[in-house]
Amino acid sequence: DVKVTQSSRYLVKRTGEKVFLECVQDMDHENMFWYRQDPGLGLRLIYFSYDVKMKEKGDIPEGYSVSREKKERFSLILESASTNQTSMYLCASSIRDRASPLHFGNGTRLTVT
Amino acid sequence: EDQVTQSPEALRLQEGESSSLNCSYTVSGLRGLFWYRQDPGKGPEFLFTLYSAGEEKEKERLKATLTKKESFLHITAPKPEDSATYLCAVHPTGTYKYIFGTGTRLKVLA
Repeated sequence: DVKVTQSSRYLVKRTGEKVFLECVQDMDHENMFWYRQDPGLGLRLIYFSYDVKMKEKGDIPEGYSVSREKKERFSLILESASTNQTSMYLCASSIRDRASPLHFGNGTRLTVT
Repeated sequence: EDQVTQSPEALRLQEGESSSLNCSYTVSGLRGLFWYRQDPGKGPEFLFTLYSAGEEKEKERLKATLTKKESFLHITAPKPEDSATYLCAVHPTGTYKYIFGTGTRLKVLA
């Protein structure tokens, strides 16, 4: 089974802090994604990576950056956390070359106060 | 514009009362349609992939079907443990993006 592991289940940070969310997958998937999930808005794509050191902006990249130095690891960085970034953050991975499903981690519930 | 709409938003069923969830989609081309189950506080869990109209997939009490414009997730004789939010997503051709619906919250009462 594919396993996508997010480093923290719950985080509480203060406004202005730099926040790192880490994600590791163990199935050698090329593609990795970061989403945020908010009630009534569904899943919204923040960033996508299709290879090491490659990244593409999703629908809501403002206030976020990403890093992919190794194939199995994809990090989401909040440069200066704000209260409107309080959300559930979900990492996912998939195989690149066919219509394969996304496999999700269990999420990080981030609260910015 | 690629779009996914799920209905109903919420559904309450008695144990054993079969029903269907709907996922309507608009895409220029479809690579795949996916169903997920999401429990509170957890990430979505993959259930099914459907690739072309007429295709069906089954797993225990769940059966997913696909037409050119919509997909149904049929739940036969549901149990309380089937209570969850069910998400539908499409992967259009020519993009890396997956488009998600906002889900159907299912509650099955004992």
